[in-house]
Amino acid sequence: EVQLVESGGGLIQPGGSLRLSCAASGFTVSSNYMSWVRQAPGKGLEWVSVIYSGGSTYYADSVKGRFTISRDNSKNTLYLQMNSLRAEDTAVYYCARVVSEWNFFFDYWGQGTLVTVSS
Amino acid sequence: DIQMTQSPSTLSASVGDRVTITCRASQSISSWLAWYQQKPGKAPKLLIYKASSLESGVPSRFSGSGSGTEFTLTISSLQPDDFATYYCQQYNSYSPPITFGQGTRLEIK
Repeated sequence: EVQLVESGGGLIQPGGSLRLSCAASGFTVSSNYMSWVRQAPGKGLEWVSVIYSGGSTYYADSVKGRFTISRDNSKNTLYLQMNSLRAEDTAVYYCARVVSEWNFFFDYWGQGTLVTVSS
Repeated sequence: DIQMTQSPSTLSASVGDRVTITCRASQSISSWLAWYQQKPGKAPKLLIYKASSLESGVPSRFSGSGSGTEFTLTISSLQPDDFATYYCQQYNSYSPPITFGQGTRLEIK
C-alpha cells in the first residue's frame, strides 16, 4: 500500500529555516517524480517544487532561491528545506507522487504538515 | 504560466442534483487536465485525469469532459459524501509550473 507521511512542520519566526520530511512506503521515491504542494489557510492549492527521478529539480517562482527539494534514497524519504521563511509561506505542505513523466498530476498525497511563520 | 479559472466559486445544491463545474485555461492545454476533490482537513483526492479518464475506485457518477481551454466536471446525482471543494489542475507541458484552479466549494442547499 502506498503511503506518504509528512513531518517537520511547526511555528517558526520570519527569516527562519525549517526542513520538512515525507517518508514514503509502498513504492520507491527515487524511481518517481515527487512534488510538494502547499495550501495557505482557507486558500487553494499551490504547487511548490518537484524532483524528477533523474534528480532535476524545479520550483515555483514564489519559493525559488529559498526552498530546496531533495531526497534520501536509503531512507526512501523526500525533503523540503525552507530558508528565509516569510509570513506568506504559512500553509499546510503536502508531499505528493507524480503519476509519471508524461502525466504530471498526483495520485497519492500525504496528510500534510502545517508550517506557521509568525513572530 | 497557464492560468486556470474555475466557476462558480461556490455552488449550492441538493442530494440527487446534477451539478457541473467549469474550468477554463488561459491557453490550450489539449486534454492535460486533472480534477481533485478535497474535504476539510484532508488531502486532495484524484478523481479525473486526462480530462475524462476516471481514476480507479472513483464512483461513476463523476465524469469529466472538454479539451483545449474549456473543461467540465459533472456529478450526475449528488450524494452526501460529495459535498467538498473541487480543484482542476493543468499539466500541459513536460516541465513545471503546473497550476491549479482556485477551487469550487460545493455546499448543501
